[in-house]
Amino acid sequence: DTGVSQDPRHKITKRGQNVTFRCDPISEHNRLYWYRQTLGQGPEFLTYFQNEAQLEKSRLLSDRFSAERPKGSFSTLEIQRTEQGDSAMYLCASSFWASLTGELFFGEGSRLTVL
Amino acid sequence: QKEVEQNSGPLSVPEGAIASLNCTYSDRVSQSFFWYRQYSGKSPELIMSIYSNGDKEDGRFTAQLNKASQYVSLLIRDSQPSDSATYLCAVIPPHNQFYFGTGTSLTVIP
Repeated sequence: DTGVSQDPRHKITKRGQNVTFRCDPISEHNRLYWYRQTLGQGPEFLTYFQNEAQLEKSRLLSDRFSAERPKGSFSTLEIQRTEQGDSAMYLCASSFWASLTGELFFGEGSRLTVL
Repeated sequence: QKEVEQNSGPLSVPEGAIASLNCTYSDRVSQSFFWYRQYSGKSPELIMSIYSNGDKEDGRFTAQLNKASQYVSLLIRDSQPSDSATYLCAVIPPHNQFYFGTGTSLTVIP
């Protein structure tokens, strides 16, 4: 399977705990994006990388959220001191960016439930 | 003003009819436009991309782009119950980040 893969698919945690999600993009893709989606809403941008460089982070994103892509391959998204409002689907997507565009392909998502 | 706006619906059409989904965007110099389909509980999947004014057809799907009016649409011909899903419009403005609308829920009635 050469698509975008995410792990874990489901995570249930207690408020105040830290969680980490992993994303493995399509191998030839140079851009990797993280989105958050809640019921009835479109994907909300969190951050994106080109290779290992984090190019943009949403202004709406709390300092409790951090993302890395250390070698320009897989990426991790960590949420510290989780709150109930963090409950959502966390989507990773990748694209091959060239000539100012690139189609985005999503993974299956990681669903977070904060109790 | 949101970067991408869609009518959330729900939109219901009978099987075999044409479904028309619409999207407007705010950044006039946006260059790339996409339609994604999302089934309940699943992640979005790419249906169409369009970069130039006019129509682009792929099977039963036609994307239409009018940059002067900042308007993108998706037509689904011969709608099938399996087309029932939420359709997301996405735009890349010049600062190179995908913005998504809230999606339009489509139900095709057998």
